[in-house]
Amino acid sequence: NAGVTQTPKFQVLKTGQSMTLQCAQDMNHEYMSWYRQDPGMGLRLIHYSVGAGITDQGEVPNGYNVSRSTTEDFPLRLLSAAPSQTSVYFCASWGGGADTQYFGPGTRLTVL
Amino acid sequence: GQSLEQPSEVTAVEGAIVQINCTYQTSGFYGLSWYQQHDGGAPTFLSYNALDGLEETGRFSSFLSRSDSYGYLLLQELQMKDSASYFCAVRASGGSYIPTFGRGTSLIVHP
Repeated sequence: NAGVTQTPKFQVLKTGQSMTLQCAQDMNHEYMSWYRQDPGMGLRLIHYSVGAGITDQGEVPNGYNVSRSTTEDFPLRLLSAAPSQTSVYFCASWGGGADTQYFGPGTRLTVL
Repeated sequence: GQSLEQPSEVTAVEGAIVQINCTYQTSGFYGLSWYQQHDGGAPTFLSYNALDGLEETGRFSSFLSRSDSYGYLLLQELQMKDSASYFCAVRASGGSYIPTFGRGTSLIVHP
């Protein structure tokens, strides 16, 4: 199993550009989530999904959209990038009855 | 909502024992997890406590007191490779079951 994969690993955008961060898992997990990590701020939840077709907002959802058309994929879309969205983005998944979240390797995004 | 407090930094020497504390506030409690993250890496799961008491996994142990809304991670026989950030995360009962993370504790192990 590949676990949780994320692409790209690094990305530089200009203010106003849009892009999609990809996340996929091959463990048939129901739950998936997106976090951003900024220095000294820990992991903050952006959006999450409890199953295909079901998504909800987390702590910091503004400027981001998600969809969950399949169990495996959970892409995160930046609609109009802003410098405040410069961060490291982690995708995670886990089975609903389990206690362990599995994290992808992260995407390091810089918005100029 | 939930909130967690943990020290921002802890330092120790190789071979020593270190304890990283975590206090939390939540409207309903399901469990407390600990994650380790090395610089440039992804968080990886260490342990989980749903009931009071101590859970031991090799050199790492985690403790929970539900009545005190408090837990800690205990690292024994510290090694240089244990230098990393450690996050506690609380899952609240009801709602989404999505964990809320603390801001993390940077552990620096000196030779």
